[in-house]
Amino acid sequence: EVQLVQSGAEVKKPGESLKISCKGSGYSFTSYWIGWVRQMPGKGFEWVGVIYPGDSDTRYSPSFEGQVIISADRSINTAYLQWSSLKASDTAMYFCAKYNSGSYPYYFDFWGQGTLITVSS
Amino acid sequence: QSVLTQPPSASGTPGQRVTISCSGGSSNIGGNYVYWYQHLPGTAPKLLIYWNNQRPSGVPDRFSGYKSGTSASLAISGLRSEDEADYYCAAWDDSLGGPVFGGGTRLTVL
Repeated sequence: EVQLVQSGAEVKKPGESLKISCKGSGYSFTSYWIGWVRQMPGKGFEWVGVIYPGDSDTRYSPSFEGQVIISADRSINTAYLQWSSLKASDTAMYFCAKYNSGSYPYYFDFWGQGTLITVSS
Repeated sequence: QSVLTQPPSASGTPGQRVTISCSGGSSNIGGNYVYWYQHLPGTAPKLLIYWNNQRPSGVPDRFSGYKSGTSASLAISGLRSEDEADYYCAAWDDSLGGPVFGGGTRLTVL
């Protein structure tokens, strides 16, 4: 059974750094792209980016490039999303999700339960 | 403002058939497959429809997907109380190089 289990909710101050995690199980972690999706309060989903754990190839949405870093540790089947300096506007629910295959057409077939990030002074 | 456009809400009574629309453009729905997700807040979103009209194993055949041109729709027949959730459409976007999503439709079962 495919499972993506995310780290718990975080409350941070503006300017602080943060790294959240997503541990995959039940499939070959290195063979599928895994990425992140943002959901701001009361809004829809936005694609942040993805990483291919097999070779660490990473793709970002232009809206998030330079704002976050996506990484993965193959040894523990875990993907990460990190910020070096949080802003209040980063407050959102962040979901990890894996692509269905290693090649197009891609779509997210399994999702994590979400990690709520609250940034407030 | 989401790239794909969905109505913010829909409703129906048990047993009814409801349809949720999703419109986009040539770089997304017009040239790529459409996907639908069901999301109960506080849980992991669930894939309902892939490749426009295919259901993953375990998804009831009450859920059907359609696509025509730059628009798509999700139909739910025999509406049940457990169908009350948020529904999102998605499609690959050639300009973005990633998926784009609708703003979501909250379905209420009256």
